[in-house]
Amino acid sequence: GAVVSQHPSWVICKSGTSVKIECRSLDFQATTMFWYRQFPKQSLMLMATSNEGSKATYEQGVEKDKFLINHASLTLSTLTVTSAHPEDSSFYICSANRNRDGGTDTQYFGPGTRLTVL
Amino acid sequence: GESVGLHLPTLSVQEGDNSIINCAYSNSASDYFIWYKQESGKGPQFIIDIRSNMDKRQGQRVTVLLNKTVKHLSLQIAATQPGDSAVYFCAENGAGTALIFGKGTTLSVSS
Repeated sequence: GAVVSQHPSWVICKSGTSVKIECRSLDFQATTMFWYRQFPKQSLMLMATSNEGSKATYEQGVEKDKFLINHASLTLSTLTVTSAHPEDSSFYICSANRNRDGGTDTQYFGPGTRLTVL
Repeated sequence: GESVGLHLPTLSVQEGDNSIINCAYSNSASDYFIWYKQESGKGPQFIIDIRSNMDKRQGQRVTVLLNKTVKHLSLQIAATQPGDSAVYFCAENGAGTALIFGKGTTLSVSS
């Protein structure tokens, strides 16, 4: 259990275009999902917290108009990188909260999406 | 700011040895800790977790130790295998639902 999928696995796009990444919890419902980005040989950096039915909460320094997040259902959150530029090239990873042991929420991660902007 | 960090960026062991990966955290309010394993090009994989009301928890071949006095967390892997080679991150869930990740330790297992 606790499987999280992402689509696409990798994407190459031209500068100025928008890219949508989907994150799905396959066997559980998640009211809260998270979006991270990770640069080579670095740790995960939280971008935003996605809450079902409400606006996402963005971390300091993350442009909400550039990284649009929609959490329309309990199993799907989407991240849209608008007007992508080469500096947006990165590994984007989502996670979903699932309650374990009756009391603690644990994050389970998707496989990541490699975005390359030319 | 407060953050979670790891003592060593890399650890090299021989197959069959026991591995110990360490992590120091600074947020004394953190009450939940997780170890993740990340292989190249993949998302982090949950390994084991521990709450602050415990000091030890065991899984299959893995043990997590928590020392709240010195704010130290460790992951022990018994009989390390080549398939254990990956980057290991500790994470804390302090004030909210978001996780704070450490910088990661790269474990290399040689045959």
